Amino acid sequence: EIVLTQSPATLSLSPGERATLSCRASQSVSSYLAWYQQKPGQAPRLLIYDASNRATGIPARFSGSGSGTDFTLTISSLEPEDFAVYYCQQRSNWPLITFGQGTRLEIK
Amino acid sequence: EVQLVESGGGLVQPGGSLRLSCAASGFTFSSYWMSWVRQAPGKGLEWVANIKQDGSEKYYVDSVKGRFTISRDNAKNSLYLQMNSLRAEDTAVYYCARDGEYSSSCLDYWGQGTLVTVSS
Repeated sequence: EIVLTQSPATLSLSPGERATLSCRASQSVSSYLAWYQQKPGQAPRLLIYDASNRATGIPARFSGSGSGTDFTLTISSLEPEDFAVYYCQQRSNWPLITFGQGTRLEIK
Repeated sequence: EVQLVESGGGLVQPGGSLRLSCAASGFTFSSYWMSWVRQAPGKGLEWVANIKQDGSEKYYVDSVKGRFTISRDNAKNSLYLQMNSLRAEDTAVYYCARDGEYSSSCLDYWGQGTLVTVSS
């Protein structure tokens, strides 16, 4: 079983700052990694797929990078609406799916 | 517009059963793998099960194998999750989700979720 570990658990930043979220896999997942944003009371929203491709309608301030076991989600300049929980997800052992435990991005 | 609408959640006693439904619209339902993903209160996301386009392949997380059954009716554009022998730890919001249109490695559309509470 592939385990995804996200860090940090909580990230406290101010609007306008740059956010860097990490996701590490216990073994290589190639580029089969996605990122989601979830706000309270809402369903998750796909941000990034295949490690670095922005989903439809996602602002350019969101970017993804990495391959193999180490991945990063970067938000270049935080907007007030970006404060939420972010999850990574892998599907290298398709069709099975695994999620990371999440990173909470909170306003400092 | 792609829409996924879950229903069927509620309060059930331990050991009981519940059937969740997900009504799909706005896309060719029969062309996509579909998944159920759950989220326990205050916890993270957990993939539960998925099913191939024609229903011929089904996969489950270990914790629900033998208790949950995923199915679909392409004529009705509907996805189902039959949950038997429910336990307190099955309490969660259950989401249905569609495989990505541009990549099958992700889930690009999600329903709003339906809450299942297992308690006596």
